[in-house]
Amino acid sequence: AQTVTQSQPEMSVQEAETVTLSCTYDTSESDYYLFWYKQPPSRQMILVIRQEAYKQQNATENRFSVNFQKAAKSFSLKISDSQLGDAAMYFCALKNSGGYQKVTFGTGTKLQVIP
Amino acid sequence: DAGVIQSPRHEVTEMGQEVTLRCKPISGHDYLFWYRQTMMRGLELLIYFNNNVPIDDSGMPEDRFSAKMPNASFSTLKIQPSEPRDSAVYFCASSGQGSSYNEQFFGPGTRLTVL
Repeated sequence: AQTVTQSQPEMSVQEAETVTLSCTYDTSESDYYLFWYKQPPSRQMILVIRQEAYKQQNATENRFSVNFQKAAKSFSLKISDSQLGDAAMYFCALKNSGGYQKVTFGTGTKLQVIP
Repeated sequence: DAGVIQSPRHEVTEMGQEVTLRCKPISGHDYLFWYRQTMMRGLELLIYFNNNVPIDDSGMPEDRFSAKMPNASFSTLKIQPSEPRDSAVYFCASSGQGSSYNEQFFGPGTRLTVL
């Protein structure tokens, strides 16, 4: 069975500063996909960034980047130049690359952005 | 594309009543997922379909829950009879073969309250 662990239930960051959200996972597969989803108060789940396990290069999407450490099974999300609109729940998620489509989600980290 | 469409956005009903939630996936996507989100249990996969066929329904809580996908553009999740413990946000998501990541795109959710 695969698991995703987010050990920080809540985090806060000053506007314009940088924050890192942690995620660790466990899977017996060698190839898989990792995702970060954002859920603002509107509750819409929005895909922020994605990473394929066999790709060495860390994914980047504008102010969002990841630090993917495959051996350590770690997948942290870094948000640079934090904005008020970044305040949300952030979920880390894992999906194996085979035909089975189930995604395992972490319990989420609530990010507060302080003006 | 309009994205994944869910209706209704909010539903309030009384215990024992039948509830039907509706979902229209993104056109061209061949996977459809139903999730339930609660504070206590987080985001749970209830069932998913591939090409309108149910693939994994192991997350469906009990016989009171049923899901159908009569065609590629429509799915329903039915609860009969409803109970207060079914109160949650229900998400529909879809994914397609167009992206190697097969990432899931979520609808806005239906907030269900059973009194």
